[in-house]
Amino acid sequence: EAGVAQSPRYKIIEKRQSVAFWCNPISGHATLYWYQQILGQGPKLLIQFQNNGVVDDSQLPKDRFSAERLKGVDSTLKIQPAKLEDSAVYLCASSLEWDQPQHFGDGTRLSIL
Amino acid sequence: GENVEQHPSTLSVQEGDSAVIKCTYSDSASNYFPWYKQELGKGPQLIIDIRSNVGEKKDQRIAVTLNKTAKHFSLHITETQPEDSAVYFCAASRGGNNRLAFGKGNQVVVIP
Repeated sequence: EAGVAQSPRYKIIEKRQSVAFWCNPISGHATLYWYQQILGQGPKLLIQFQNNGVVDDSQLPKDRFSAERLKGVDSTLKIQPAKLEDSAVYLCASSLEWDQPQHFGDGTRLSIL
Repeated sequence: GENVEQHPSTLSVQEGDSAVIKCTYSDSASNYFPWYKQELGKGPQLIIDIRSNVGEKKDQRIAVTLNKTAKHFSLHITETQPEDSAVYFCAASRGGNNRLAFGKGNQVVVIP
């Protein structure tokens, strides 16, 4: 079974620029998550989708971050404009349903100059 | 919200010895406790999980024990191998929307 696919693997941008990350979950997984992992810390949930609806976005900085999962399959996370403190690895995870184990992709490492 | 702490932050063990990592959690309503292994440049990989209706779960060289009264759970790795070297994260969740709260991670180094 193919795992969670993410692209790009690395991105370097200057502050105030915009960036987008893409995620394709494991086939058939209804629940999709975006996490932010700052160096030396555990992942922190940004947003959770159930099919194409948002379940939890309480920790998403909505003034600069947005995410969508229009057809209930793949998803895009955007940051606009980026700040220095956004430097982190952005991880996508998926689960069969909301109460099932989560499986992670390898993430996108974002560096802000 | 849930607060998860891991100890020790770094653990070095000789190859073949056992490694134990302990996590404590704050929310007594948490009922799902997974452990993830993260290698450099990779995403976290689920290695074992436990729900609050059982006290122990084993999978080959890996086991997890849960003490609900004391609000802690531990990862046990027996017969450690160099490929067990990684950062291990514990997490806890109440279920419901399944939001996981992660600890800060433990660096495990297996010395050949």
